[in-house]
Amino acid sequence: GDSVTQMEGPVTLSEEAFLTINCTYTATGYPSLFWYVQYPGEGLQLLLKATKADDKGSNKGFEATYRKETTSFHLEKGSVQVSDSAVYFCALQTRDDKIIFGKGTRLHILP
Amino acid sequence: KAGVTQTPRYLIKTRGQQVTLSCSPISGHRSVSWYQQTPGQGLQFLFEYFSETQRNKGNFPGRFSGRQFSNSRSEMNVSTLELGDSALYLCASSTSETQYFGPGTRLLVL
Repeated sequence: GDSVTQMEGPVTLSEEAFLTINCTYTATGYPSLFWYVQYPGEGLQLLLKATKADDKGSNKGFEATYRKETTSFHLEKGSVQVSDSAVYFCALQTRDDKIIFGKGTRLHILP
Repeated sequence: KAGVTQTPRYLIKTRGQQVTLSCSPISGHRSVSWYQQTPGQGLQFLFEYFSETQRNKGNFPGRFSGRQFSNSRSEMNVSTLELGDSALYLCASSTSETQYFGPGTRLLVL
């Protein structure tokens, strides 16, 4: 069945460091791909999305490119801030419109 | 536009009781999905309702049920609560491509 695999956390970085969180997927066809972020005590917020191969989603300095050949959707940010500390979830939308989430990656940014 | 709202935000129940959680979607959204989030299992899909009909269902026992009203508000019910039902229950309303999540209801079963 469809699945999402993302790197285990926690990931700890210093402020202004470069961030990559890896995400790969297994799916039938070409699903839409998403990154969600969950701040402490809150629900999930859509961070960015891409709906077809080679699309780049971007928001708040974060980017991810839909790579069909490697079935990947890695999240990147050039310079992280303390306020980026949160849990990040990679997800895909199946053919029957279910959302399958990865396990989440906790990110800690040190000042 | 108001976001997805969930009530109550926190709930404490004991084993064997039942609970009802409520979700009000974003105005104009007809699809509502429910998820269970636990540290061990992560985010798991419970079910989705569209125009008062269950359209999708995850792999949860029959103790978990839901419904949707004509104004798109949705409720989920868990009967005969077990300790393992302690979780954050998230509701999401969606357009055709994107889901928008509420803040969740945190349920603790003692």
